[in-house]
Amino acid sequence: AQSVSQHNHHVILSEAASLELGCNYSYGGTVNLFWYVQYPGQHLQLLLKYFSGDPLVKGIKGFEAEFIKSKFSFNLRKPSVQWSDTAEYFCAVGGNQGGKLIFGQGTELSVKP
Amino acid sequence: DGGITQSPKYLFRKEGQNVTLSCEQNLNHDAMYWYRQDPGQGLRLIYYSQIVNDFQKGDIAEGYSVSREKKESFPLTVTSAQKNPTAFYLCASSERSETQYFGPGTRLLVL
Repeated sequence: AQSVSQHNHHVILSEAASLELGCNYSYGGTVNLFWYVQYPGQHLQLLLKYFSGDPLVKGIKGFEAEFIKSKFSFNLRKPSVQWSDTAEYFCAVGGNQGGKLIFGQGTELSVKP
Repeated sequence: DGGITQSPKYLFRKEGQNVTLSCEQNLNHDAMYWYRQDPGQGLRLIYYSQIVNDFQKGDIAEGYSVSREKKESFPLTVTSAQKNPTAFYLCASSERSETQYFGPGTRLLVL
């Protein structure tokens, strides 16, 4: 079955701490991978995406993610978080089903000032 | 100003009532999607449409219906058959299999 698993439901960090959010997927065929972010009171927006090429992709606001095919993973990282990074983060996978995406359960990130 | 609009922002449904959520996009995207977001469950696909006058069921289509008569519009009806409709509903659009862009959402509450 196709699925996406995000390891952490809720992560609490202090400002300047490093962040890594885990994402593992089960999906047959070519994969397109996404991280979306939902800031409080705002709509879901794209943080970064991987379609092909360099497995290390950089997104907005200093975020990056690495696609490791052998581990079926696409973990999100940021070296130093800010209070404004407080949000819910969703990993998603798609590719060979006409644009359909499968989303993970989401990880709520709380950054303490 | 391009984007996706959803209305209303909040919607209240009475028992046995059908309600319709609006989704409009002016991005000229072919594909449109409806998701349901519940706490701790991420987003689940209700229906999607890759072209006008055609749509497919997603993973949780029971109790919902859609239409796609115009490229820019993809309304979702939550019928009385949907026994647990309280949720946050998100509409998205994309250019075929490319990145999906999301609207601001509609929160549906049951009276």
